[in-house]
Amino acid sequence: KQEVTQIPAALSVPEGENLVLNCSFTDSAIYNLQWFRQDPGKGLTSLLLIQSSQREQTSGRLNASLDKSSGRSTLYIAASQPGDSATYLCALGGGADGLTFGKGTHLIIQP
Amino acid sequence: NAGVTQTPKFQVLKTGQSMTLQCAQDMNHEYMSWYRQDPGMGLRLIHYSVGAGITDQGEVPNGYNVSRSTTEDFPLRLLSAAPSQTSVYFCASSYYPTGGYEQYFGPGTRLTVT
Repeated sequence: KQEVTQIPAALSVPEGENLVLNCSFTDSAIYNLQWFRQDPGKGLTSLLLIQSSQREQTSGRLNASLDKSSGRSTLYIAASQPGDSATYLCALGGGADGLTFGKGTHLIIQP
Repeated sequence: NAGVTQTPKFQVLKTGQSMTLQCAQDMNHEYMSWYRQDPGMGLRLIHYSVGAGITDQGEVPNGYNVSRSTTEDFPLRLLSAAPSQTSVYFCASSYYPTGGYEQYFGPGTRLTVT
């Protein structure tokens, strides 16, 4: 059974810093890895999708990497802003049968 | 496109009552799934469907029924609600091959069972 761990569980940094969120998983037989953002009381917003054959994806200030051999993914946020404050979720896709989620990293960017 | 829609947004039930959470998508996606989100537990898969007429169980299926009569709709039924089913429920859809199974989520239904 796939297990997904996100470290740290919570993170507070000053505005402007670059930061890295970590995700590790136990089964490398995946179709894809997806990073989501969730604001309090809201739904999930997809940030980046990395296919199994890819090593990284970029969108604006966000960069996500995937290393299947080590069972790790990182989400890099450049020049953080207060509006980046949210919970970030890592999820592994086994195909048509849905996602396995980590418990998330709660991020606070201090103005 | 409206994407993935869920109704209702909020619901309060008494123990033993039944109800159906509605989920619809207008993107012609083959695959749909239901998750519940609980504090400290993250999101967990309840049931999923790989096409009309085909459903299967996820990690936490007990107490829930699903059916998929059309591509667009994937309702989740609680036959006899229990306080342990108090949660936020999310529906998602995805497609392949060009979509690579990227999951699109609805806004969620917040359910309280008293």
